Amino acid sequence: DADVTQTPRNRITKTGKRIMLECSQTKGHDRMYWYRQDPGLGLRLIYYSFDVKDINKGEISDGYSVSRQAQAKFSLSLESAIPNQTALYFCATSDFRGTNTGELFFGEGSRLTVL
Amino acid sequence: LAKTTQPISMDSYEGQEVNITCSHNNIATNDYITWYQQFPSQGPRFIIQGYKTKVTNEVASLFIPADRKSSTLSLPRVSLSDTAVYYCLVGDRAGANNLFFGTGTRLTVIP
Repeated sequence: DADVTQTPRNRITKTGKRIMLECSQTKGHDRMYWYRQDPGLGLRLIYYSFDVKDINKGEISDGYSVSRQAQAKFSLSLESAIPNQTALYFCATSDFRGTNTGELFFGEGSRLTVL
Repeated sequence: LAKTTQPISMDSYEGQEVNITCSHNNIATNDYITWYQQFPSQGPRFIIQGYKTKVTNEVASLFIPADRKSSTLSLPRVSLSDTAVYYCLVGDRAGANNLFFGTGTRLTVIP
């Protein structure tokens, strides 16, 4: 089983619908992230959370919200989806302590299409 | 936030050594340099990280000059499976400025 699991893996929805993408991890990491990737482009940070009580906006948070339900779970919501939110979404985790590299561990991605 | 600049794309033949350079002129004292690899429709994967001089692991080498304003990822004897996008990130590992990927360098390995 994957250490970082995203559900759903694929979703097609209509403009105006509310969508939730869920992420769960078994790595025991405190830090969790949501990224978005558009075709041919790099990853852009939407939100990040360094622990359960910490939520921060990233580069492109408008139109998105998040919930950190537990150390292992971090959900991304689109309250009213629009077509330009069609993208591949990645959840990631990390754990920085002392001399740890702080490397990011990614899930397999959730492909969202908004019609 | 240390901005990075990388070539958009590179081509290489199989078996050659590939060097991808990243420019980060305003790197801060606490910043580390981290490289990731991404295959299509997959999340990025950590390759290597360094602070200064040279770091080598089983996958790649990372060369960082004394002024730390640039770094070079070196992939020895590439194969077709090394075709991917490579990202250079610069930031404080403990903070939030080590999280920005940019557009990366698309490496295509040619048979």
